[in-house]
Amino acid sequence: QKEVEQNSGPLSVPEGAIASLNCTYSDRGSQSFFWYRQYSGKSPELIMSIYSNGDKEDGRFTAQLNKASQYVSLLIRDSQPSDSATYLCAPSSGGSYIPTFGRGTSLIVHP
Amino acid sequence: KAGVTQTPRYLIKTRGQQVTLSCSPISGHRSVSWYQQTPGQGLQFLFEYFSETQRNKGNFPGRFSGRQFSNSRSEMNVSTLELGDSALYLCASSPAGGNEKLFFGSGTQLSVL
Repeated sequence: QKEVEQNSGPLSVPEGAIASLNCTYSDRGSQSFFWYRQYSGKSPELIMSIYSNGDKEDGRFTAQLNKASQYVSLLIRDSQPSDSATYLCAPSSGGSYIPTFGRGTSLIVHP
Repeated sequence: KAGVTQTPRYLIKTRGQQVTLSCSPISGHRSVSWYQQTPGQGLQFLFEYFSETQRNKGNFPGRFSGRQFSNSRSEMNVSTLELGDSALYLCASSPAGGNEKLFFGSGTQLSVL
């Protein structure tokens, strides 16, 4: 059973702060890692993907991957109220490539 | 380019009935996957279709089935509905599946009474 663990939150941060979202996964065969953002009442949308150990930056977002520790994280710099959403971590295995979604972390950015 | 279209948006059924949900992927996308989302279980994978063939299947009972047509449109069917089937059903498409970005539709909210 592939498991993806995320703190459900809510994680509350002030506007302008760095939000740090964490995820651990059980499947050592995972090769690709995705972060999806889901606003309340909406469907998920991909915001970051990372495939190799280290950091990947895209605008205000930085994904960090450590395969040895089976750990992936998402940092959001200069957090904005519009970042308030649930963030889903989704590793996918090398076989089927079907992502397994975590239950998500609720992020609240308050002015 | 139109996004992923799911119909209907809302559905209310009673136990024992069956239901069919529809998904039209983004033009050119050949992979369609289905997910069930509930507050307690999160997003769970149902199955994936590619070129009219079921390529991957999640851990759901046989009451859940699907198919894909030659134009890549997909349908999902749930027979003998149970109260626990109440959920948001999401369809996602990608050009060929694999390590690709998934584009999700707005979902069908199914309520079983």
